Amino acid sequence: NSKVIQTPRYLVKGQGQKAKMRCIPEKGHPVVFWYQQNKNNEFKFLINFQNQEVLQQIDMTEKRFSAECPSNSPCSLEIQSSEAGDSALYLCASSRDWGNYAEQFFGPGTRLTVL
Amino acid sequence: DAKTTQPDSMESTEGETVHLPCSHATISGNEYIYWYRQVPLQGPEYVTHGLQQNTTNSMAFLAIASDRKSSTLILPHVSLRDAAVYHCILRVQGGSAKLIFGEGTKLTVSS
Repeated sequence: NSKVIQTPRYLVKGQGQKAKMRCIPEKGHPVVFWYQQNKNNEFKFLINFQNQEVLQQIDMTEKRFSAECPSNSPCSLEIQSSEAGDSALYLCASSRDWGNYAEQFFGPGTRLTVL
Repeated sequence: DAKTTQPDSMESTEGETVHLPCSHATISGNEYIYWYRQVPLQGPEYVTHGLQQNTTNSMAFLAIASDRKSSTLILPHVSLRDAAVYHCILRVQGGSAKLIFGEGTKLTVSS
């Protein structure tokens, strides 16, 4: 069973507001992923880290989203100015290594609603 | 990453063995086949993965066709807890580690 912790579970923001969510990866997992799952259950990869370093991110993340994984602190994903289209389930996953043999363990997600 | 095709939904009854098909006709030689499942209000859960040989673990048996253009996830003696959306995903060996999910198959289990 996954031990990835995500907080908060639910987040409600108005358009233009900042929205911040946090993730504590499984102990010993240096690789962290963020995905967005929309209301149609479609997944979109956002960004991933190995330790504190960003490995990959998509355009959307580069412009309106900011993310970090500081040492000894939870990872975070923040939307600088929320839009209605950002309403989704944000999933954090962690993995013991970068290789594609490694399972990704997912947290329960943060469900963001932008009014 | 190559595309996978799965049926939108399947129905089963407790105790049955369920076969969930996945088509990946354009799979490359260096792509692994991964299966995840997701229940409401939870993140996806890893089920199994394989490259060429059939694999088995406590959750499921993965049967991979000899030409690798299709695979079947076999769930023995399903229970109500196995009701979920099952995703078949391809990942490139040595490439990006991100998962690219499709819509998956919604498995319904009735008592």
